[in-house]
Amino acid sequence: DQQVKQNSPSLSVQEGRISILNCDYTNSMFDYFLWYKKYPAEGPTFLISISSIKDKNEDGRFTVFLNKSAKHLSLHIVPSQPGDSAVYFCAAIPMKTSYDKVIFGPGTSLSVIP
Amino acid sequence: DSGVTQTPKHLITATGQRVTLRCSPRSGDLSVYWYQQSLDQGLQFLIQYYNGEERAKGNILERFSAQQFPDLHSELNLSSLELGDSALYFCASTGQGNNEQFFGPGTRLTVL
Repeated sequence: DQQVKQNSPSLSVQEGRISILNCDYTNSMFDYFLWYKKYPAEGPTFLISISSIKDKNEDGRFTVFLNKSAKHLSLHIVPSQPGDSAVYFCAAIPMKTSYDKVIFGPGTSLSVIP
Repeated sequence: DSGVTQTPKHLITATGQRVTLRCSPRSGDLSVYWYQQSLDQGLQFLIQYYNGEERAKGNILERFSAQQFPDLHSELNLSSLELGDSALYFCASTGQGNNEQFFGPGTRLTVL
């Protein structure tokens, strides 16, 4: 039973356009959410996070939106660049716990076409 | 470069064998986490060590064990290997503030 779902295994976007990566979760105890980016032959790197007390967090070209009632979050990348081509993992941590309880989604592979 | 190193990068072995994966955390980080990523799945937490002691256990099989040494590097031992153990194994480290995890490049294990 996947508690964190990323239903799109892959996504292709034109350079300069918006990339929207989606993530759904089932456990209402999650209260901290993270996005990681992973290039081939490298480990995941932290990209951006959001606490459940917020509905939006922005860092440069990256914005994460959280809709708690729908148990849905999304990562927006604007404008998309070829260097953004990577696998993106959504992850969630239950309240009052830490990384030992983190649940990762299966990832979405983003291709940004020049 | 995250500062976390893992060796070897690739490992090919046969069923029934035993292997050891090694991880060196970022300088000064006391916590080491091990994760397994099987094909088309997210990372699954296996085990955490903090300053030499086991801190938390996840979905780690009894055939697997880990330890963290005084110099803070960690080893993950996988024994009686099965085909289904083929996966990417990542380690990650965090500092005292535990604010962000830094991942190593992973070890790709193939069991034939």
